Order: sequence, then C-alpha cells, then structure tokens
Amino acid sequence: GAGVSQTPSNKVTEKGKYVELRCDPISGHTALYWYRQSLGQGPEFLIYFQGTGAADDSGLPNDRFFAVRPEGSVSTLKIQRTERGDSAVYLCASSPRTSGRSYQETQYFGPGTRLLVL
Amino acid sequence: SQQGEEDPQALSIQEGENATMNCSYKTSINNLQWYRQNSGRGLVHLILIRSNEREKHSGRLRVTLDTSKKSSSLLITASRAADTASYFCATRNGNTPLVFGKGTRLSVIA
Repeated sequence: GAGVSQTPSNKVTEKGKYVELRCDPISGHTALYWYRQSLGQGPEFLIYFQGTGAADDSGLPNDRFFAVRPEGSVSTLKIQRTERGDSAVYLCASSPRTSGRSYQETQYFGPGTRLLVL
Repeated sequence: SQQGEEDPQALSIQEGENATMNCSYKTSINNLQWYRQNSGRGLVHLILIRSNEREKHSGRLRVTLDTSKKSSSLLITASRAADTASYFCATRNGNTPLVFGKGTRLSVIA
C-alpha cells in the first residue's frame, strides 16, 4: 500500500487480557515508531526501531509493553495484562532511513488503533 | 512527557479568515515540525523548520521560528472548512524522539 497501515482499527478488550497491535510501514522505510495518544493529548513516544532492532525503547511505560519487528518491516506492539489506563489510540509511523541526519526526516503516520480496555 | 505547549487550546474562526497557532518549547532543538490530525485519524506532516531557519512557507501555511524565545507560530491563511482539525507542534533534538505538544483544536465555520 501507499501509506502506513495499522490493524485492527479498533480493539475492545477486558482488563487483564493480552492484545497485539500491528503496523505495516511504508515499503522500504527502515525506521519505525510507536506512539500512544490519550484523549485530548498529543502523541507520546513509546519505541523506535531501526531495521529489526529496537534502537530506543525509553518510552515504554512498563514491562507489560513489548514490541517486535522480526524482519525489519511489519511491527507488532504487544500489551500484557491490559489495564483500563492503557486505553488510548496507538499510532505507528515510519520514515525512510536513519542516518547521521535522521533527525531532519519527516515521519509518516498510520491511522492508529483505538484500544479500549473495559 | 510533552515539551511543546500550543496556544490557544481551541480556536474557532470563520471561513476565509486567517488562523494563527503558537507553540512554545523548553529545550534546544534541531527542528520543529507541525502536524495536522483530523478527528479519529492519523497525523499528517505539514512542515518542518530547522533551527537555523526563521520562516518557511508551504502553500497557505507560514511557519516562523524564534529560537531565542523558544517559540514557533503556524499561520493558515484564507482558511477553509476542510482545515478543521487539531494541529500539533513537535520538536526534535539530535537523535531523540519527537516530542509533541497537546495541540490546538481549530474549527473553521463555513
């Protein structure tokens, strides 16, 4: 596809359950980012992948959150033992590459997955 | 944590008027970016201004950056109903993650 895609678009789960959120970045983009956006707030950084490796996971709130990108393309954000406070929109973004001037690059966002934990 | 603070939080204008949104930030930056988010959708990148730039234009958008005041403004000229959205500034310092503000909700009334 032409843009970043995320599935599912909506996910409703019960407190304590496990969820997986998927991100399919733009083809050829080596950098991939996950963000979480609560109602009325801006996106907050969770984790950044360069290729298959997590280059920066400093934004993950606790060890219930984990993300993988095994082949350097699709990424999955995994949340264990979900809590009501995890309810938010989870956004994925990608950018073409990371180099010494990566901080000058634009990020392309997907439509997000709206997670509701009951 | 969120570094940017957009002002105002909400703005309502008539179609054809200009809309100005401001962003203040706290630390030094390499660049500042503005994004738009339509209700329930992902963010769309609008414009990036580097720390050594003072003004940038893109179509009906004009962005200014004052690093001495740690502030930026986004001007949308001749607004349209389709400009109704939330607008976020985001800053970056070196190879650190983008840090977003809380956004300005713009309503353009036809």
